[in-house]
Amino acid sequence: EAGVAQSPRYKIIEKRQSVAFWCNPISGHATLYWYQQILGQGPKLLIQFQNNGVVDDSQLPKDRFSAERLKGVDSTLKIQPAKLEDSAVYLCASSLDRWGYTDTQYFGPGTRLTVL
Amino acid sequence: QKEVEQNSGPLSVPEGAIASLNCTYSDRVSQSFFWYRQYSGKSPELIMSIYSNGDKEDGRFTAQLNKASQYVSLLIRDSQPSDSATYLCAVRGSGGSNYKLTFGKGTLLTVNP
Repeated sequence: EAGVAQSPRYKIIEKRQSVAFWCNPISGHATLYWYQQILGQGPKLLIQFQNNGVVDDSQLPKDRFSAERLKGVDSTLKIQPAKLEDSAVYLCASSLDRWGYTDTQYFGPGTRLTVL
Repeated sequence: QKEVEQNSGPLSVPEGAIASLNCTYSDRVSQSFFWYRQYSGKSPELIMSIYSNGDKEDGRFTAQLNKASQYVSLLIRDSQPSDSATYLCAVRGSGGSNYKLTFGKGTLLTVNP
């Protein structure tokens, strides 16, 4: 079974530029998550999709971050404009069904973003 | 605001010893508890999940949960250098907006040959 795919793996941009990350979840997984992991910290949830609907975006900085999940499969996370403090690893995860308490999240390899 | 607390370490143990990693959480009605291992530069990988009080064993790993004390731990027996990584504790709440996974900052474990 293929895992969660993400691209690009690395991205270096200058502040005020825009950037987009792509994620393809495990086949059949209804729930998709985007996390931000700053060096030395645990992952922080940015947004959570159930199929193609947003179920939690309470920690997404909506003035600069946006995300979509068209057709309930692939997802794109965008930052525009980027700030220095956005330098982090952006992790995508997927799970079968968010409402099951045993539901398990599987992570992709992540995209390491450096903002100069 | 739910919180998950872990000692940041580093925790250093000799090869063959037992490594003990601890985690406390603030949301009393949390239902699900997970331990992820994260090697440097890699993404988190699930190694254990536990949902009820007591111990759960899987190979060299044992997860322990005490909901009354709001405490979950991970024991690694016969520690190997390949176990050197950051271990993340993650907790899921009971429902609604609390249903998301909240991670601790992780404990860095170093196993010395």
